[in-house]
Amino acid sequence: EVQLVESGGGLVQPGGSLRLSCAASGFTVSNNYMKWVRQAPGKGLEWVSLIYSGGSTYYADSVKGRFTISRDSSKNTLFLQMNTLKTEDTAVYYCARDVGPWGQGTLVTVSS
Amino acid sequence: DIVMTQSPLSLSVTPGEPASISCRSSQSLLHSGGYNSLEWFLQKPGQSPLLLIHLTSNRASGVPDRFSGSGSGTDFTLKINRVEAEDVGVYYCMQGLQTPHTFGQGTKLEIK
Repeated sequence: EVQLVESGGGLVQPGGSLRLSCAASGFTVSNNYMKWVRQAPGKGLEWVSLIYSGGSTYYADSVKGRFTISRDSSKNTLFLQMNTLKTEDTAVYYCARDVGPWGQGTLVTVSS
Repeated sequence: DIVMTQSPLSLSVTPGEPASISCRSSQSLLHSGGYNSLEWFLQKPGQSPLLLIHLTSNRASGVPDRFSGSGSGTDFTLKINRVEAEDVGVYYCMQGLQTPHTFGQGTKLEIK
């Protein structure tokens, strides 16, 4: 079964860091275009970042320079390293493959 | 950035009746490869988003054939032939032509 499972969310103070993980099963992460999308409480979807199979990475302006997308082929896992977190980064973060599926999401709360 | 505008923002449909959602982009989504890079997602209440349609008109795996996508350039449409109770939720379009990829505001579908 093709599946994505996120982890790593939690409560962090402004200026802090978190690393989100997205473990894949049923397909190979490094052979696919993978993305992170977030959803602030009660809001719509916001694209955050993507990594192509060739390794090129792209970011939303709101996270550029603070977030880093990466993958580990040995673990078949996608990551999102989030540094210098701001209160406006509070959201459920989803990982997804280009043709699906999406993970269940992991909640990141940035608050003092 | 490409701005995606959906209409209507909400609709109430009787089961068995058709439904249609429009999505307009501020720039053409026509890729040099000859396809329009437009996707549709459904987020059911309390769930992760689900890919319905990719590349404008291709149903994702497992998506019922009552869902269809069409359009080209800047105007796109998602149609549901006969709405069922399980189709409730928020529908989003997303352009994948340019980074940052951008979503529409969402259209909430309710059952009468």
